[in-house]
Amino acid sequence: KAGVTQTPRYLIKTRGQQVTLSCSPISGHRSVSWYQQTPGQGLQFLFEYFSETQRNKGNFPGRFSGRQFSNSRSEMNVSTLELGDSALYLCASSFQLQTGELFFGEGSRLTVL
Amino acid sequence: SQQGEEDPQALSIQEGENATMNCSYKTSINNLQWYRQNSGRGLVHLILIRSNEREKHSGRLRVTLDTSKKSSSLLITASRAADTASYFCATDSTGNQFYFGTGTSLTVIP
Repeated sequence: KAGVTQTPRYLIKTRGQQVTLSCSPISGHRSVSWYQQTPGQGLQFLFEYFSETQRNKGNFPGRFSGRQFSNSRSEMNVSTLELGDSALYLCASSFQLQTGELFFGEGSRLTVL
Repeated sequence: SQQGEEDPQALSIQEGENATMNCSYKTSINNLQWYRQNSGRGLVHLILIRSNEREKHSGRLRVTLDTSKKSSSLLITASRAADTASYFCATDSTGNQFYFGTGTSLTVIP
């Protein structure tokens, strides 16, 4: 069974640009959640999607958005990038919503210059 | 913040020794999980302990949970160099998100 796939793995953007990150969950998993990981803040929850609906949202500004498609694949978008958005963005999938084991992808490392 | 806090932040031991790391949290939980992260990689699930359980084992891992103290510990016995990684606890409660701690960085010296 293929794991969680995140693309791209690495990307460099400049301030003011926008970025879209993609996550393909494990087959059969309907819940996808996103986390931002930085050295100072640890893992911060961004949002969680289940059956194409956002079920929970963390404390991030509106520049961070996401969506989930009917095949459970998810994308997150960050607009008007700031230097502080540089981080490892991790996607995790699970079979059910907000419970049980999370399966993480390798992450997308975003550098904002 | 409802995040868990791992203690210590960093731990360095010799191969073969046991490693113990602790996690404290603030709210009532359904489950507590431990994850491992190798540098720059995704997190890997290690073990889940439910709120009505006090101890759980998996291979060289032993997890305890004390809900009265809102704390958990992860013990890795007979450590190996390959155990070098960061370890995170994650808690979840009804209708809420997962909260991850800030992690313990473990270095096992061969």
